[in-house]
Amino acid sequence: EPEVTQTPSHQVTQMGQEVILRCVPISNHLYFYWYRQILGQKVEFLVSFYNNEISEKSEIFDDQFSVERPDGSNFTLKIRSTKLEDSAMYFCASRTGLREKLFFGSGTQLSVL
Amino acid sequence: GQQVMQIPQYQHVQEGEDFTTYCNSSTTLSNIQWYKQRPGGHPVFLIQLVKSGEVKKQKRLTFQFGEAKKNSSLHITATQTTDVGTYFCAGRRNTGKLIFGQGTTLQVKP
Repeated sequence: EPEVTQTPSHQVTQMGQEVILRCVPISNHLYFYWYRQILGQKVEFLVSFYNNEISEKSEIFDDQFSVERPDGSNFTLKIRSTKLEDSAMYFCASRTGLREKLFFGSGTQLSVL
Repeated sequence: GQQVMQIPQYQHVQEGEDFTTYCNSSTTLSNIQWYKQRPGGHPVFLIQLVKSGEVKKQKRLTFQFGEAKKNSSLHITATQTTDVGTYFCAGRRNTGKLIFGQGTTLQVKP
């Protein structure tokens, strides 16, 4: 079965540093998402992306966050100046249509020290 | 904002016992999806319910969508150790954004 690929699997960074989390969604998918999950808690929506623009974002997705699809295959999440509370597992997900199931990547565990 | 509440948060059962998790939304949903996350893993899609009152079965798992399309349940009959994990419901409104419930973590004692 096709997979959503995320890199790196773990990222450790100092508070205030910029991080870029990378994702390669499934090739024929049109809708792309970032979710995050703080350890032991629920999966929280960050942002959705369609047709090369953000279609929806949550209150968590503030000015420190941005997303890009630079080359038609990669989908990145950038955090400009990381905070301690950004430490979480970040999941990328994609799907073919709004009514379809989400395919999740294996996640990037971000640790901000 | 839209809330999707899920109970219980944790459930410990003896292998062979049944298990149920409940999901409630503050607003009417277009559809509801269920995902399972194994410890250390990522959410994996189980099923989608679309119609009011819909019931779907997958082997020992039974999924229901309420008549008002605001609640849903997942029932596992005769749990096995392989059922261990966190079960999330995710509700979708017309915008397409999926809102996840808090999840129910199931532990099964052999």
